[in-house]
Amino acid sequence: GAVVSQHPSRVICKSGTSVKIECRSLDFQATTMFWYRQFPKQSLMLMATSNEGSKATYEQGVEKDKFLINHASLTLSTLTVTSAHPEDSSFYICSARQDGVGPSYEQYFGPGTRLTVT
Amino acid sequence: AQKVTQAQTEISVVEKEDVTLDCVYETRDTTYYLFWYKQPPSGELVFLIRRNSFDEQNEISGRYSWNFQKSTSSFNFTITASQVVDSAVYFCALSGTNQAGTALIFGKGTTLSVSS
Repeated sequence: GAVVSQHPSRVICKSGTSVKIECRSLDFQATTMFWYRQFPKQSLMLMATSNEGSKATYEQGVEKDKFLINHASLTLSTLTVTSAHPEDSSFYICSARQDGVGPSYEQYFGPGTRLTVT
Repeated sequence: AQKVTQAQTEISVVEKEDVTLDCVYETRDTTYYLFWYKQPPSGELVFLIRRNSFDEQNEISGRYSWNFQKSTSSFNFTITASQVVDSAVYFCALSGTNQAGTALIFGKGTTLSVSS
C-alpha cells in the first residue's frame, strides 16, 4: 500500500514550452501533497504544498506563476512548468500525505520526474 | 530556524568496512521526527527509518544502526560490513514546520561509494 506514482518519469522539452508533471496516490487519498526540486548533486528543496480544492502554498523564492500547481482531486496533483528555461532542468519529486492515517509528517514519495530543458 | 547538517559530502570505503554517516539537526520544536533516506542512482527515495524526539533508544536493523542523541542534536547512521549495493546518496531529514504543514527538511546528503 501507500504507493505514489509520477508521470512522466523523464521529459525533454524546448525552451519556452510548458510541461506538466502528474503526481498520483494510487491506493490512498491525499488532501495534501508536496512538491520538491532537486538539482544535480544537491539536496531536495520544498517548492510548494498542494492542497486539494484550494490554492497551493509556495515556499519563498518559488515563482507561483511559473510553477503552476493544481490539486483537483484527492489522488492527483499536477505541476506545470510554464515557459521552461534550461535552468528549470531538475529532478522533481512529489510526496503525498495519506488522509486520516498517521501523524502529520507522514508522507510517501513518488519516484521523481527528470526534466531537461534544451 | 530548522536545519539539517550532513557535514560529510562524500565517503569512500572498501567492502566490509563499517561506515558512519553523521547528521546534526537544529529545531526549536519539542516534538519532532527524524528520518534517513537512501537515494540510489535511479533517483527514487528509499525510506530507511523514522525516529521521534521522545525515543532515544538506538535501533538496529540488519547491517544498519542508528544512534540518536538529543544532547548533541545528532542522529547518526552506521552501516556495518558495507557492500557495493550500499553505494548511494543518503539523506537525513527533519519534520519541519513550513507555511502550510509539515514537509521534510533535508540535509545536503552524503554520497557513499563502496568499492569491491
